[in-house]
Amino acid sequence: IAGITQAPTSQILAAGRRMTLRCTQDMRHNAMYWYRQDLGLGLRLIHYSNTAGTTGKGEVPDGYSVSRANTDDFPLTLASAVPSQTSVYFCASSLGGGSTDTQYFGPGTRLTVL
Amino acid sequence: GQNIDQPTEMTATEGAIVQINCTYQTSGFNGLFWYQQHAGEAPTFLSYNVLDGLEEKGRFSSFLSRSKGYSYLLLKELQMKDSASYLCAPQDSNYQLIWGAGTKLIIKP
Repeated sequence: IAGITQAPTSQILAAGRRMTLRCTQDMRHNAMYWYRQDLGLGLRLIHYSNTAGTTGKGEVPDGYSVSRANTDDFPLTLASAVPSQTSVYFCASSLGGGSTDTQYFGPGTRLTVL
Repeated sequence: GQNIDQPTEMTATEGAIVQINCTYQTSGFNGLFWYQQHAGEAPTFLSYNVLDGLEEKGRFSSFLSRSKGYSYLLLKELQMKDSASYLCAPQDSNYQLIWGAGTKLIIKP
């Protein structure tokens, strides 16, 4: 693995189904983030984790949950998907802690909820 | 509230220079990032400013005025591959990035 990966690349999901988006990084970064990106809007933070074992809510956390059991993985779960969760989801990671904290992004997951 | 303002779209000619402006209002300020995003791809880091002034990095430069809540990205010697969206992202007092909707830059031959 080189950098940050996400799976699946794309998914079509029926409303009401449960779905977990996977994110793995091999850069030993402390901080990880989940964003959604919708046409005409900026990236919106869903959840973040400053270090393994801790998580926090971002701007749009409702309907999503995360866990951070170890440094490398940061899965995002939609417990019961709704059409408004149709979006492109990006996972990102950074060293953490400070003003020069550059975030590096995974390739994204394109999710369609019908 | 927190607000980022960038032009939605700009058009420029190959070989020319273009300046993409960004004004922001955030709860506290710790620096400002610029990212490039090609269509269908992830954002990639371009530049970071924390002090007032110009940071130059090859064909790309970024300027910051903290007192005016203003930044710009300057792209010189434009190439077709520079066609992309450019995202302005200031950092608030909690070091969270606040993202603008981005400026779509179209380069014409």
